[in-house]
Amino acid sequence: GENVEQHPSTLSVQEGDSAVIKCTYSDSASNYFPWYKQELGKRPQLIIDIRSNVGEKKDQRIAVTLNKTAKHFSLHITETQPEDSAVYFCAALTSGTYKYIFGTGTRLKVLA
Amino acid sequence: ETGVTQTPRHLVMGMTNKKSLKCEQHLGHNAMYWYKQSAKKPLELMFVYSLEERVENNSVPSRFSPECPNSSHLFLHLHTLQPEDSALYLCASSQVAGGSYNEQFFGPGTRLTVL
Repeated sequence: GENVEQHPSTLSVQEGDSAVIKCTYSDSASNYFPWYKQELGKRPQLIIDIRSNVGEKKDQRIAVTLNKTAKHFSLHITETQPEDSAVYFCAALTSGTYKYIFGTGTRLKVLA
Repeated sequence: ETGVTQTPRHLVMGMTNKKSLKCEQHLGHNAMYWYKQSAKKPLELMFVYSLEERVENNSVPSRFSPECPNSSHLFLHLHTLQPEDSALYLCASSQVAGGSYNEQFFGPGTRLTVL
């Protein structure tokens, strides 16, 4: 079945450094790719998303890139801050279906 | 309260109990979802309702029974659960189910422990 692989599972960076999380999806028909942030004990919240007709999207310190040929997409966080510490999930959705397929999550720790 | 709410927030039950989880969305959305979140596993989609009709059932055991009486409310009825069913159960809603690109809004979850 469809799946989304996410790496790394844990990531520690120094405050101010950049963090990159990568996801690879299996269904070539996937065309919507959201990223969620889940802080400890809280609900997942959408932080950025990208559609298949776009290669890159930025929102302040956060950016997402998509390579449809290779079927992977990445989350980039620049100038990391301690409040960026959380678990980040990627997901893929295929148009016409209801199945959001999630990655296994990346626990990001930003060290002050 | 705005957004997506879930009750109870924590639930401990024995394997022979029957309980229900409740989800309510105040966003005017017409699609609702149940997910299971276990440690070190991806979020697992369990059920999807669009306009109160079940449109997705991801091979979930029959001991989990969903109910969607209207577009604002979603229930998950539980009976004769197993310890491995212990997890965080998340409800979500979106404007339209499938089709177009829809942000899902998640509830805070119910932490379920099956003894």
